[in-house]
Amino acid sequence: DVKVTQSSRYLVKRTGEKVFLECVQDMDHENMFWYRQDPGLGLRLIYFSYDVKMKEKGDIPEGYSVSREKKERFSLILESASTNQTSMYLCASSLSGAFQETQYFGPGTRLLVL
Amino acid sequence: GDSVTQMEGPVTLSEEAFLTINCTYTATGYPSLFWYVQYPGEGLQLLLKATKADDKGSNKGFEATYRKETTSFHLEKGSVQVSDSAVYFCALTLVAGGTSYGKLTFGQGTILTVHP
Repeated sequence: DVKVTQSSRYLVKRTGEKVFLECVQDMDHENMFWYRQDPGLGLRLIYFSYDVKMKEKGDIPEGYSVSREKKERFSLILESASTNQTSMYLCASSLSGAFQETQYFGPGTRLLVL
Repeated sequence: GDSVTQMEGPVTLSEEAFLTINCTYTATGYPSLFWYVQYPGEGLQLLLKATKADDKGSNKGFEATYRKETTSFHLEKGSVQVSDSAVYFCALTLVAGGTSYGKLTFGQGTILTVHP
């Protein structure tokens, strides 16, 4: 069964803290994605990775960075958390090639920055 | 750029009512179209998809037809249940040229509540 897991369901952090959100997939997928979900805005792509150590900016990368040292793990880093980064963060993965369009999502991490 | 527009919610229905959630898109190439569903407290799950014009995706009683002439992919269900209460997202991806890496562009989501 396909599985994408995220390290935390809920996180509370202080402004200025460095925050790490971890995502692991067990499907041997090449592509991995980080989105944030806000009411009325849908999901917006922050960063994605199509291979180990490769990354591309999405639509809203400012204030974020990512790391992909192993194929199954994709980390989102908030270098200095701010209150406007309070949101739901969703990780997803997909295959490359002809089947790359179906993304599989983790349960999400709800982050509150105080 | 590419975009997806969904009907605004929330949508509130009684059980066994007919459901339509409108979705229209703009895209420069030939997109694949998706409906994802998010149940309370969970991540998104693929509900159905269509990869070319006139294709119909279907799953769990839901259907959507890829209409290129109207650039639409409306979601329908003939008889909703309380368990269908969720947030529904329309999305597209452009696979042409193989450089999109399957990036999805989402609509804003439509909250559906079904009452007994």
